[in-house]
Amino acid sequence: GNSVTQMEGPVTLSEEAFLTINCTYTATGYPSLFWYVQYPGEGLQLLLKATKADDKGSNKGFEATYRKETTSFHLEKGSVQVSDSAVYFCALSGGNNRKLIWGLGTSLAVNP
Amino acid sequence: GAVVSQHPSWVICKSGTSVKIECRSLDFQATTMFWYRQFPKQSLMLMATSNEGSKATYEQGVEKDKFLINHASLTLSTLTVTSAHPEDSSFYICSARDLQESYEQYFGPGTRLTVT
Repeated sequence: GNSVTQMEGPVTLSEEAFLTINCTYTATGYPSLFWYVQYPGEGLQLLLKATKADDKGSNKGFEATYRKETTSFHLEKGSVQVSDSAVYFCALSGGNNRKLIWGLGTSLAVNP
Repeated sequence: GAVVSQHPSWVICKSGTSVKIECRSLDFQATTMFWYRQFPKQSLMLMATSNEGSKATYEQGVEKDKFLINHASLTLSTLTVTSAHPEDSSFYICSARDLQESYEQYFGPGTRLTVT
């Protein structure tokens, strides 16, 4: 079945450091891929998405490219800020029911 | 953007009582709503898929008689935790899928349930 594997956290970085959070997936067909973010005390928010191979999703300085050949959707940001501290979830949606399949989440803490 | 609300945001109840959680799509119509449970430092666990006007589809291992789901309109779904026990204490999150979009889900802020 479909699954998402996400790098374990927590990840701790200094402000302005480069961020990569790895995400790989297993799926039949052509799923859509997502990154969601959960800030402390808040609900999940869609950060970015990609719906087909080679698409690049981007938002708030974050980017992720849908790589079918490596079944990956790694999240990157060139210069993180303290306000980026949150839990990041990789997810895919595929099949007829379009249910979201979730990674375990990666906690990011950015120190000033 | 699309907004989903949940009420209440937190609730404390005694063992054996029932608790109802509401999920509303505020500015769009949602034929499908999803109910998730999130344990501390873990991912979201899909409990059930709720379709307007029909019975909910429960994931394996989720007791449908314990977690009653009703989706009576295109903007409202409710989750009732019946005869709650301390192990039901968790963070419950709903999401709604816009009629106009086939893949994007919008999430509510979640409800923290504590059963004493």
